[in-house]
Amino acid sequence: EDQVTQSPEALRLQEGESSSLNCSYTVSGLRGLFWYRQDPGKGPEFLFTLYSAGEEKEKERLKATLTKKESFLHITAPKPEDSATYLCAVQALYNAGNMLTFGGGTRLMVKP
Amino acid sequence: DAGVTQSPTHLIKTRGQQVTLRCSPISGHKSVSWYQQVLGQGPQFIFQYYEKEERGRGNFPDRFSARQFPNYSSELNVNALLLGDSALYLCASSLDGTPIAKETQYFGPGTRLLVL
Repeated sequence: EDQVTQSPEALRLQEGESSSLNCSYTVSGLRGLFWYRQDPGKGPEFLFTLYSAGEEKEKERLKATLTKKESFLHITAPKPEDSATYLCAVQALYNAGNMLTFGGGTRLMVKP
Repeated sequence: DAGVTQSPTHLIKTRGQQVTLRCSPISGHKSVSWYQQVLGQGPQFIFQYYEKEERGRGNFPDRFSARQFPNYSSELNVNALLLGDSALYLCASSLDGTPIAKETQYFGPGTRLLVL
């Protein structure tokens, strides 16, 4: 069974204080690993897709990396508007469809 | 272009009632998936439909059913509602949805269902 574990569950940062969010996964063949951002009461907003170990992607203050067992979302010099829940999800090769298995998320709060 | 749209935005029902949630995918997208997100947790997969056929089903009881229409919009039905069905129901659309495609799922704003 596919499993995704995110840590920490919650993270408080001061504006400008860089940090990393972790996503550990177990899957029988990874098709893709996805990062989403979710604001309270809204649907997840797509950030990145990573397909193979060693791959990295960047967008503004965010950088996602992937190894064979985990992914990291690095946040450089965060701003208050980066406050949100960050969700990690995996898609398995063996699935007939495109089902995503999500972790529980990391709630990030950035204080000015 | 409009993103994924869902209706209604909020819904209050009582135990035992039935509910229908609606989703319109991004124009040109043929695959729709449904997820349930309980407060404080990550979304859980319920169904995927592609070209009007069920492509995948999550670990949910038979009270949950769905269908996709010729215009690729979709409905999720839940019968005999339980208190535990209270959640945010998310719809996601993707272009293809086949196992080979490397593609992204885009989520709608969700329908917040409260069962009393």
